[in-house]
Parts: sequence; C-alpha cells; structure tokens
Amino acid sequence: EPEVTQTPSHQVTQMGQEVILRCVPISNHLYFYWYRQILGQKVEFLVSFYNNEISEKSEIFDDQFSVERPDGSNFTLKIRSTKLEDSAMYFCASSRRRDFTAHEQYFGPGTRLTVT
Amino acid sequence: RKEVEQDPGPFNVPEGATVAFNCTYSNSASQSFFWYRQDCRKEPKLLMSVYSSGNEDGRFTAQLNRASQYISLLIRDSKLSDSATYLCVVNWGFVDSGAGSYQLTFGKGTKLSVIP
Repeated sequence: EPEVTQTPSHQVTQMGQEVILRCVPISNHLYFYWYRQILGQKVEFLVSFYNNEISEKSEIFDDQFSVERPDGSNFTLKIRSTKLEDSAMYFCASSRRRDFTAHEQYFGPGTRLTVT
Repeated sequence: RKEVEQDPGPFNVPEGATVAFNCTYSNSASQSFFWYRQDCRKEPKLLMSVYSSGNEDGRFTAQLNRASQYISLLIRDSKLSDSATYLCVVNWGFVDSGAGSYQLTFGKGTKLSVIP
C-alpha cells in the first residue's frame, strides 16, 4: 500500500537555524499539506499546496515558513529561523483529489523537530 | 471560530466491550467528516470517512447528524489493538468568500485503553 514518507524522523537544531523537512507524498496524489502537533496538543493545519502554489495557509504559517516542490516527488517545509516554540511533530499529508465526496488525507510518520 | 469538541476521556474498557465516541462541531456548513486514530507519538491514520447516511466497516460504525452537528463512532467487540487516541476531524469546505478550504480541523482526541 502506498505511503507518505518523511525524513528525517528526528531533527535537533539550535534556535535561529534553518531547517528543511522533507516529504515524499503518495505518487498519484496531487494535493499536499503540512500539519504540526505540539506535544500533548491537537494536530494543527499549516499549509496546503496544489499545482506548485500555496492554496491555503493558517495563521501559524508566517513569513518564517515556506514550502516547495523542488522535483516531481519531494515536498519540503522550510523554517528559516527556528524558535523554541517551533518544537513539534510535523506531519506531511497528501490527497488524491479535493472534491468533498472523497477528501481523504493520508499522513506521513512525521518529523519530530526539537529546537534548543 | 471553527471548533471540534470531543469527549475528554480517557476511556478504559475491557476486551469485547462496545465503546462510543462523540464529537460536536461548530460550523453547520461543514462538508466532510472523518475519524482518525493516532497511536502514541505516531501519525494520524484514517479510520473512516463519515457519510450522511452513516456507514459501517466491520466492527466500526460512524454516524453523522447534521442537524445537531454531531458525529459518533461506535466500536463493537473491542480488541487490545484498538487502544489508541481517536480523533474527530472536520473539513469546513467552502468558506464564506466562496473559496475552497481543504484544511482539516482536528479535535483533541479521546484516548481509549482496552484492558485484557
């Protein structure tokens, strides 16, 4: 069964450093998402991406965040200057289509980001 | 404000028991509804989509009541492997401006422990 994959599984970085989290969505999926989950809290939407552009973003997704699909398979989330409060699990997700009868998103295993 | 509320839990039930999870959502214009399960420090995994007519998948039954803005999940004959946190998830669909919204909004989840 196809899966979303993410690398690395755990990233430790110092405050102020840039990090790039990588995702390979399911191969025939066209819509991609990033979510995050701070330890003990609910999963929160960050951004959605389709046709090489951001289609929607949340208030969390400020100028420090960016997303990119650099090639036909990878989807990346960059945080330019990490803060302590960016420490969280970051999940990538993908879906095949967006119509409301079958908008099912499948999640990758996550990258645990620890900012020290 | 768009909110998804769930029973706080935790639920501790013996093997073989029937357990019910409830969820309410704040926006009557919501389009799509899902139950995900999340094991500790893992990604959310799609359990089932919830359709207006209700749907069943083996031991799992999901119901939707749009008038009451209420979703439920019933697990019959619970197994040890059902132990997880169950997340109620809503997609709000089109926002007031008419633009499509495909972000998922998660509840905080209800933790289930099935005891031998």
